[in-house]
Order: sequence, then structure tokens, then C-alpha cells
Amino acid sequence: EVQLVQSGAEMKQPGESLKISCKTSGYNFANYWIGWVRQMPGKGLEWMGIIQPRDSSSIYSPSFQGQVTISADKSITTAYLQWSSLQASDTAMYYCVRHFGYDYWGQGTLVTVSS
Amino acid sequence: QAVVTQEPSLTVSPGGTVTLTCDSSTGAVTSGHKPHWFQQKPGQAPRTLIYDTNIKHSWTPARFSGSLLGGKAALTLSGAQPEDEAEYYCFLSYSGPWLFGGGTKLTVL
Repeated sequence: EVQLVQSGAEMKQPGESLKISCKTSGYNFANYWIGWVRQMPGKGLEWMGIIQPRDSSSIYSPSFQGQVTISADKSITTAYLQWSSLQASDTAMYYCVRHFGYDYWGQGTLVTVSS
Repeated sequence: QAVVTQEPSLTVSPGGTVTLTCDSSTGAVTSGHKPHWFQQKPGQAPRTLIYDTNIKHSWTPARFSGSLLGGKAALTLSGAQPEDEAEYYCFLSYSGPWLFGGGTKLTVL
């Protein structure tokens, strides 16, 4: 059974760093791109970018390029999304998703940034 | 950057048929945009209904279908059920980056 299980909710202050995870199982991790999607409170879905775990090739949305870093660790079949300096505007739900028909989604990680 | 546009809201009667559309600011939507359609209900993660224009997942109810219509991607719901009330998002590939539409809030009433 394919599963994407994300790390738990985070509460951070502006300026702090953060790395959230997406642990996958049930399929060959290296063979499928993994994507990240943002959903701000009460708003629509935004595509952030994707990574190919085999060689860590990545494609970012222009809106998120330089704002976040997407990475993957093949040895533990896990993808990551990280920020070096959070802002209040990063408050959102973040989903990881298998970028193949967008067939399997993580349950989401709620990130709250507030002073 | 391109903009993907959907109807903000639509209403359909139970048992009725409705078509949601997805437009691209760069021109006609084609199969090359690999249109996807997602359904999201409040408090839930999105669920993919259609990918690559018209391919259904195993869990996609038969009443949903995807197509290209008049230069747009389209999602048609035939025989609407109360449980189909949700937000629907289209999603297009731009040869690298992908973009979501703003979503259509579908009311079954």
C-alpha cells in the first residue's frame, strides 16, 4: 500500500528555520517525483515544486524559487521541505504528493508562524 | 507566469449535469498541459479525480469525466450527488512548472 506520511504540526516564530518531512512507503521511491503543495488558510492550492529522488533534480515554481528548499533522502525514502527564515506569510497547510497522476497525497503538515 | 482560471462557483441540482472549465492565459489548453482535476472537501486533503485530460483513478466515480472543450480543460459531472459538493481545482503543466487554477466551489442544491 502506497503511503505518504508527513511530520506533525509546527508552531514557529518569524525568522526561525524549519524542515518538514514526508515519509513514503509501498513503492519504489526513486522512480517517482515528489511534489509539495501549499494551501494558505481559506485559500486555494499552490504548486511549490517537485524533486526526483533518484538524482535530486528539482523544479520550483517561480513563486517559491529561493524561498524554500526541496530535498530527498533515498536511503530513508523521505522528502523534505525547508525554510531558512520563516515569515508569518508562510503560515499554511503543506502537502506532499506523488507527482504521477497526483495519485497519493500526504495528510498535510500545518505550519503556523507567529510571534 | 501564466494564470489558470476557473469559474469561482457553480450550482447543480441533485441528479443534474454540470461542466467546470479550466482556462489558460497563454492560449488554448491542450493535452500537452496534462490537465488534472482535484476535489477537496473542508478539512480534507485534495483527492485527484482526473489526470492527463481524461484518465480516471480507480477511486474516481464514473459520473466524473474529463475532456478538452473549446480550448479549455473541462470536468463534467453527470448525475450530481450531494456528496459531490466540494471545491474543485484544475492543474496544468507548463513544461516545467505546474499551476493550479483558483478553484470552483460546487454547490449541489
